[in-house]
Amino acid sequence: DTGVTQSPTHLIKTRGQQVTLRCSPISGHKSVSWYQQVLGQGPQFIFQYYEKEERGRGNFPDRFSARQFPNYSSELNVNALLLGDSALYLCASTLNLGGGETQYFGPGTRLLVL
Amino acid sequence: TQLLEQSPQFLSIQEGENLTVYCNSSSVFSSLQWYRQEPGEGPVLLVTVVTGGEVKKLKRLTFQFGDARKDSSLHITAAQPGDTGLYLCAGAILTGGGNKLTFGTGTQLKVEL
Repeated sequence: DTGVTQSPTHLIKTRGQQVTLRCSPISGHKSVSWYQQVLGQGPQFIFQYYEKEERGRGNFPDRFSARQFPNYSSELNVNALLLGDSALYLCASTLNLGGGETQYFGPGTRLLVL
Repeated sequence: TQLLEQSPQFLSIQEGENLTVYCNSSSVFSSLQWYRQEPGEGPVLLVTVVTGGEVKKLKRLTFQFGDARKDSSLHITAAQPGDTGLYLCAGAILTGGGNKLTFGTGTQLKVEL
């Protein structure tokens, strides 16, 4: 089975620009979550989507937005980039939303904002 | 805001030694997961524990979920250089119809020959 895939793998942007990151979940998984991981820290929750609806939002500014498509893939958009947005952006998928559901992570997109 | 604190933050040991990593919180979790992450890669799931008091073994790794489902530990027996990596615990909380993971601060393990 193909795991969670993310694109691009690396990205360099300048302050003020906008970026779109993409994620394809494991086949059959209906939920996608996005996390930001700053160097040296654990991942921080940004969004969760299930069946194309937002089911959770972390403590991130409105510059961050996301959506999920009918095929369950997802995009994360970040507007007006700041230096502090430089991080590894991780996507995780789960089959459903049960409490014991395991989240499987993709390799991440490393974003560098100059 | 739920916080998961891991200890120790850094650990450097010799091959063959045993170690324990702790993950503590004041919050109750529906499940707890342990991940290992290599530099520049996404976290790779090691185990999911769901029931309070549950113990799971994965070769030389032993995972325990606290009775109150607020804490967990990871014990590695006879560590090997291949165990080197960032170990993350993550608690799952059901909220607003979703299943959000709160990650711990991480334990960076280095096992030397």
